[in-house]
Amino acid sequence: AQSVAQPEDQVNVAEGNPLTVKCTYSVSGNPYLFWYVQYPNRGLQFLLKYITGDNLVKGSYGFEAEFNKSQTSFHLKKPSALVSDSALYFCAVRDRLNTDKLIFGTGTRLQVFP
Amino acid sequence: NAGVTQTPKFQVLKTGQSMTLQCAQDMNHEYMSWYRQDPGMGLRLIHYSVGAGITDQGEVPNGYNVSRSTTEDFPLRLLSAAPSQTSVYFCASRPVGEPTPNTGELFFGEGSRLTVL
Repeated sequence: AQSVAQPEDQVNVAEGNPLTVKCTYSVSGNPYLFWYVQYPNRGLQFLLKYITGDNLVKGSYGFEAEFNKSQTSFHLKKPSALVSDSALYFCAVRDRLNTDKLIFGTGTRLQVFP
Repeated sequence: NAGVTQTPKFQVLKTGQSMTLQCAQDMNHEYMSWYRQDPGMGLRLIHYSVGAGITDQGEVPNGYNVSRSTTEDFPLRLLSAAPSQTSVYFCASRPVGEPTPNTGELFFGEGSRLTVL
């Protein structure tokens, strides 16, 4: 069965510093991988995805993620954090063989301090 | 373009009551789904549909019914609400057809917060 793990409930970082939000996955074949962001009292918004090709994926708001097949990871990164990046971040995986279901991780709360 | 619209935004029920959460999208998306969000649990898939007349179960379907009579609408029904169904519910949609540049990206509504007393 496909699954996603986000090992950190919360990540704290100072504004201007680089940030990383971790995600590992488990699927039976090659995955589709996604990052979503949720601001307070809002729905989820798509940030970026890995489908195929270059392992470094660039997305919205300056975020990027690196697909690592050997480590089954898809960590979210940003070179310089902003206070406005503070939100709840979800990693999600979709099996290419069972494409109807998108499975989400438990979420990581990112807190960026001024 | 409204995207995905959920109603109501807030609802309080008593145990045993029934209600329907409405979801409508104006993007002509074939795929629609319902998730519930609980603290520490992330988002869990309740039911989904790949087109009008077709529905299937997700991870946590018990206590919920769905139907898909039109492409636009995908209501979620609670026939006899229980306190365990207190949650925030999200409807999401996407186009169907692989591969496309939008492969897999879900478009979410703003959520419906349900409290069952």
